Amino acid sequence: AQTVTQSQPEMSVQEAETVTLSCTYDTSESDYYLFWYKQPPSRQMILVIRQEAYKQQNATENRFSVNFQKAAKSFSLKISDSQLGDAAMYFCAYRIVTGNQFYFGTGTSLTVIP
Amino acid sequence: DTGVSQDPRHKITKRGQNVTFRCDPISEHNRLYWYRQTLGQGPEFLTYFQNEAQLEKSRLLSDRFSAERPKGSFSTLEIQRTEQGDSAMYLCASSQTGGRQETQYFGPGTRLLVL
Repeated sequence: AQTVTQSQPEMSVQEAETVTLSCTYDTSESDYYLFWYKQPPSRQMILVIRQEAYKQQNATENRFSVNFQKAAKSFSLKISDSQLGDAAMYFCAYRIVTGNQFYFGTGTSLTVIP
Repeated sequence: DTGVSQDPRHKITKRGQNVTFRCDPISEHNRLYWYRQTLGQGPEFLTYFQNEAQLEKSRLLSDRFSAERPKGSFSTLEIQRTEQGDSAMYLCASSQTGGRQETQYFGPGTRLLVL
């Protein structure tokens, strides 16, 4: 069974500082995708970044980057130069390439302190 | 705005009543997903459509739940004889095809409260 675990229910970061959100997953598949989604309060979920499991290079999107450790089944999100607008719930998600279901973690609530 | 839209955004109903939610996906997307999200949890998969065909249903989708996508465009999710445990946010997402390039785009959700 595929499971996604986010062990940090809440995190906080000082504005302009860097924060890392953790995610681990369990799968027997070798080809899959990993995602980080952001859900601001009362707003819809948006994709932050995605990683293809067959790629060794870590994905980056501006201030957002991931540390993908396939052997450890770990997929952490690093947010650099944190901004007030980064405050949101962050969900890690997984999908096998040949499958249809996305599996989500329970989320990490990020607070950005001015 | 060409994003995923959902209607209504909020719904309050009494236990035992039927409710229906609508989702309009991004126009060129052929896949449509329904999720349920309860407080403090991530979205849980309910069902998905490819065009008008409902291809997969979760065990979470009891026989009181039914989803349709009659013309392969918008979709409806109906809950019959609602129970308090049905209170949740119901999210819709759409994507184009599958395989390596699939990314889901989410709507704002319909928040259901069953009294």
